[in-house]
Amino acid sequence: AQKITQTQPGMFVQEKEAVTLDCTYDTSDPSYGLFWYKQPSSGEMIFLIYQGSYDQQNATEGRYSLNFQKARKSANLVISASQLGDSAMYFCAMREDHTGGGNKLTFGTGTQLKVEL
Amino acid sequence: GAGVSQTPSNKVTEKGKYVELRCDPISGHTALYWYRQSLGQGPEFLIYFQGTGAADDSGLPNDRFFAVRPEGSVSTLKIQRTERGDSAVYLCASSAGGKNTEAFFGQGTRLTVV
Repeated sequence: AQKITQTQPGMFVQEKEAVTLDCTYDTSDPSYGLFWYKQPSSGEMIFLIYQGSYDQQNATEGRYSLNFQKARKSANLVISASQLGDSAMYFCAMREDHTGGGNKLTFGTGTQLKVEL
Repeated sequence: GAGVSQTPSNKVTEKGKYVELRCDPISGHTALYWYRQSLGQGPEFLIYFQGTGAADDSGLPNDRFFAVRPEGSVSTLKIQRTERGDSAVYLCASSAGGKNTEAFFGQGTRLTVV
């Protein structure tokens, strides 16, 4: 089974609107972390937001928020007030803590977001 | 520099040749990761170093792939007898260590095996 599933290969959003990028995950580990990264066409991976499995509140970082629904194993990224510069590939990733130390990540296949005027 | 540096940015090699890809992490970062990203896919984990030692090499696809980090800083990913299927972007990331510390990625080396 896929550990990280991103079902939206491509998404369009109007500038200044909000958009939700879907991510579901699969793990039996009670302790894990969920990450979102942005990858512009230049190729670098830019960290956006992190949610720990024991965090009580949804993570927020500026215009980014993570809608964490633990029972549904869902970790959707919400981008508010979209900007043209948000056009990029977005990856959801998971760290499972039973694998030992460090931040070894399993990534999804990504969602290509296009922000339109 | 301030970020993770990877060299070369692009490498074209012939099938069967040996290649080395270099990663210079952020100064002071003890953890270093290598990932491989094929076209249209997310990055796939290859190997993780904590200091000089490989803490987890479970993602290396076969024994043609090897990585070192002899002084706990710069790392080199080595691929022997390259195959066309090795063509991908190889990403390096570093972090200060610990589970919740952010990993910073380099811009990757695009390897093309012809």
